[in-house]
Amino acid sequence: GAVVSQHPSRVICKSGTSVKIECRSLDFQATTMFWYRQFPKQSLMLMATSNEGSKATYEQGVEKDKFLINHASLTLSTLTVTSAHPEDSSFYICSAPRGAGGIFTDTQYFGPGTRLTVL
Amino acid sequence: QKEVEQNSGPLSVPEGAIASLNCTYSDRGSQSFFWYRQYSGKSPELIMFIYSNGDKEDGRFTAQLNKASQYVSLLIRDSQPSDSATYLCAAGFRDDKIIFGKGTRLHILP
Repeated sequence: GAVVSQHPSRVICKSGTSVKIECRSLDFQATTMFWYRQFPKQSLMLMATSNEGSKATYEQGVEKDKFLINHASLTLSTLTVTSAHPEDSSFYICSAPRGAGGIFTDTQYFGPGTRLTVL
Repeated sequence: QKEVEQNSGPLSVPEGAIASLNCTYSDRGSQSFFWYRQYSGKSPELIMFIYSNGDKEDGRFTAQLNKASQYVSLLIRDSQPSDSATYLCAAGFRDDKIIFGKGTRLHILP
């Protein structure tokens, strides 16, 4: 069964509103989670690394004030898209490494994704 | 700059034939390599990972890694229509980050 969940699976919002997406590890603790964004027919682009108990680290070109990440517990990371605009419409996917992680991360689990549509 | 390059395709392969997917990476700091399959509108699912030079086989799938050439490949034997998907090559790093290529669309012809 799924080991990483995301909520909501789909969201449609008006331009200018904020949207929160949750990523949960279901039966393991994750001190680190990753957020990706995928535009149609494009690959997954890493947006940021969510760190439990500390600030997220963002990839170059990703606006930290627009994409707020909170990793308040060992099983939950949230991504808030603030003042969303149509160009933010995308497929947002989170992932979490399970266990010790490290370089042999065959156990990095992906959530099912959240389809965001901004009107 | 960590980059993973793939041919976007589409790659069309007759059913029952071998599909060969290729990938190169730029950062020699990459420690492990992954092949994910992604169906339209779905999250990627892991097919194989490899971190040592050479071949690794799992059922109909064989991953090949050549660190000197910074090259990774995936062979799919006895291709089935259900193998039609986008295949993402990815490189993993010590901080658990995974960087993805743009993916190769594979179409298995019945």
